[in-house]
Amino acid sequence: NAGVTQTPKFQVLKTGQSMTLQCAQDMNHEYMSWYRQDPGMGLRLIHYSVGAGITDQGEVPNGYNVSRSTTEDFPLRLLSAAPSQTSVYFCASSPWGMEDTEAFFGQGTRLTVV
Amino acid sequence: AQKVTQAQTEISVVEKEDVTLDCVYETRDTTYYLFWYKQPPSGELVFLIRRNSFDEQNEISGRYSWNFQKSTSSFNFTITASQVVDSAVYFCALSALRSGNTPLVFGKGTRLSVIA
Repeated sequence: NAGVTQTPKFQVLKTGQSMTLQCAQDMNHEYMSWYRQDPGMGLRLIHYSVGAGITDQGEVPNGYNVSRSTTEDFPLRLLSAAPSQTSVYFCASSPWGMEDTEAFFGQGTRLTVV
Repeated sequence: AQKVTQAQTEISVVEKEDVTLDCVYETRDTTYYLFWYKQPPSGELVFLIRRNSFDEQNEISGRYSWNFQKSTSSFNFTITASQVVDSAVYFCALSALRSGNTPLVFGKGTRLSVIA
């Protein structure tokens, strides 16, 4: 059971480049989300999805796009990378009702935009 | 709006000391869940505990204990007899139950350093 898999683990981009951070889970969870972690800021929600075909914005959505075509995958797209998007990105998944469990996190993607 | 405040940015203790990490939350929802996660230097997020808003019993798990008080909107975490391996960033988080669960809202974290 792989859990939540994020790729790549590290990435360096030039300003203006685009890229997609991949997130896949094999637990059949309805709920998936993306967070970014910056020093002293905790984890801030970028986008989330409550099921295939449904996405919504979080606290810091600007500069990012998401889509959810399958239950398993929830990619995060940076359309035109900026230095302010240098961060560590975490993907999480959980069952829709969180009563009996917790959110499972991927290992993180460390992104540097130069 | 939901909010989690961890007022302690960094704490440093000597090994074997007890340490309490504070967490204060804000929500208008009557049903919600509180969480603690640990992030060791390796960077992954490790789940420690989940508590729902109807269960105010304190919980103990080995050297870890949690004190949930709805009257003060606090969910504090105590490590007894701290060890160097406890050095990490600890996050408190909140999720409310409405038509479904809301996404986790995290505090800014407390960095704990345990010195040998």
